[in-house]
Amino acid sequence: DAKTTQPTSMDCAEGRAANLPCNHSTISGNEYVYWYRQIHSQGPQYIIHGLKNNETNEMASLIITEDRKSSTLILPHATLRDTAVYYCIVSLSMDSNYQLIWGAGTKLIIKP
Amino acid sequence: ETGVTQTPRHLVMGMTNKKSLKCEQHLGHNAMYWYKQSAKKPLELMFVYNFKEQTENNSVPSRFSPECPNSSHLFLHLHTLQPEDSALYLCASSQVIGLAGVTGELFFGEGSRLTVL
Repeated sequence: DAKTTQPTSMDCAEGRAANLPCNHSTISGNEYVYWYRQIHSQGPQYIIHGLKNNETNEMASLIITEDRKSSTLILPHATLRDTAVYYCIVSLSMDSNYQLIWGAGTKLIIKP
Repeated sequence: ETGVTQTPRHLVMGMTNKKSLKCEQHLGHNAMYWYKQSAKKPLELMFVYNFKEQTENNSVPSRFSPECPNSSHLFLHLHTLQPEDSALYLCASSQVIGLAGVTGELFFGEGSRLTVL
């Protein structure tokens, strides 16, 4: 079973920040939080990952709570092309077999 | 363009056919993966190859047979499939770093949509 819980779907207005929550209450100390997204008819695309500290890159920001039991992915200025299923996954980055356990994700719809 | 190319993009086959899916990565990575994505189900890891050696087989039926001739190419050979094997088959690659096996993020291809009649 997936070790994360995400809302099934969310809407966001174009140009606004999209905030996608994820609960991972059973996360262990050496597990990372990864975010991927899958645009319709394409393979998943890596977005960002983090361990304890907040992270930012050109695509998004990742905010992890101090107890690490939840996190939020922030797309600062959502565009229509950000419409996709967003997956929050916890995994041991040290695991060379990369046993990511994928859940159902959040279907994010960006509305004009 | 992710640097991972899968062919064919669509495949229809009968249960008695033999076909193969091909994946090629142009990223210089040393690990490659096959995933299965069925309708309304999460992605399932099928096979993992690190440095051309198979290191994971997640209880996949023998009608699926992977082959990794070199670190840039990965095949999935299909024979006597069942209709429930219809799915999107995704190939991915990553860079395994050092003896500790730290991996970078996965880069996925666009997938091969398989329909078994």
